[in-house]
Amino acid sequence: EPEVTQTPSHQVTQMGQEVILRCVPISNHLYFYWYRQILGQKVEFLVSFYNNEISEKSEIFDDQFSVERPDGSNFTLKIRSTKLEDSAMYFCASSEDSGNTIYFGEGSWLTVV
Amino acid sequence: LAKTTQPISMDSYEGQEVNITCSHNNIATNDYITWYQQFPSQGPRFIIQGYKTKVTNEVASLFIPADRKSSTLSLPRVSLSDTAVYYCLVGGMDSSYKLIFGSGTRLLVRP
Repeated sequence: EPEVTQTPSHQVTQMGQEVILRCVPISNHLYFYWYRQILGQKVEFLVSFYNNEISEKSEIFDDQFSVERPDGSNFTLKIRSTKLEDSAMYFCASSEDSGNTIYFGEGSWLTVV
Repeated sequence: LAKTTQPISMDSYEGQEVNITCSHNNIATNDYITWYQQFPSQGPRFIIQGYKTKVTNEVASLFIPADRKSSTLSLPRVSLSDTAVYYCLVGGMDSSYKLIFGSGTRLLVRP
């Protein structure tokens, strides 16, 4: 069964450092997403991406965050200058179309120290 | 986006059928109902999706009454490995960009 894959599975970084989280969405999917989940809290929407541009973003997705599809397979989330409160599990997801089921990756656990 | 309400937690025993009900009184005409399962430190996993009446797959059944203001996820003969958080989400083609997760229902299956 096709799946969304994410790397790294776990990253520890110092406050103020830049972090890039990588994702390979399911190959025939056209819509890509990033969500995050702070420990013990709800899964929160960050951003959606289609046709090489952001479709929608939440209030969490401020200027410190950016997304990119650098090639035909990868989808990345960059946090420019990490803060302690960015510590969370970050989930990449993809869907075939805007009305279809969204499939999630296993997540990248980011710890900012 | 329609808001959903589901029980915070449920307990069950192995081999039992578990029914988790979700209320979505403000569901819109073009909204679908989707259920996800999440294990600790893992991504949400799609279980089932429906629009009306009943949908069944190899994992679960989804019952949706005619008014669509609620839905019930039915897990037949649960096992210990079904212990997880179950999320009910409602959204249509215009809103699938951002699934809004609630707190979910924490199901504990006991031996």
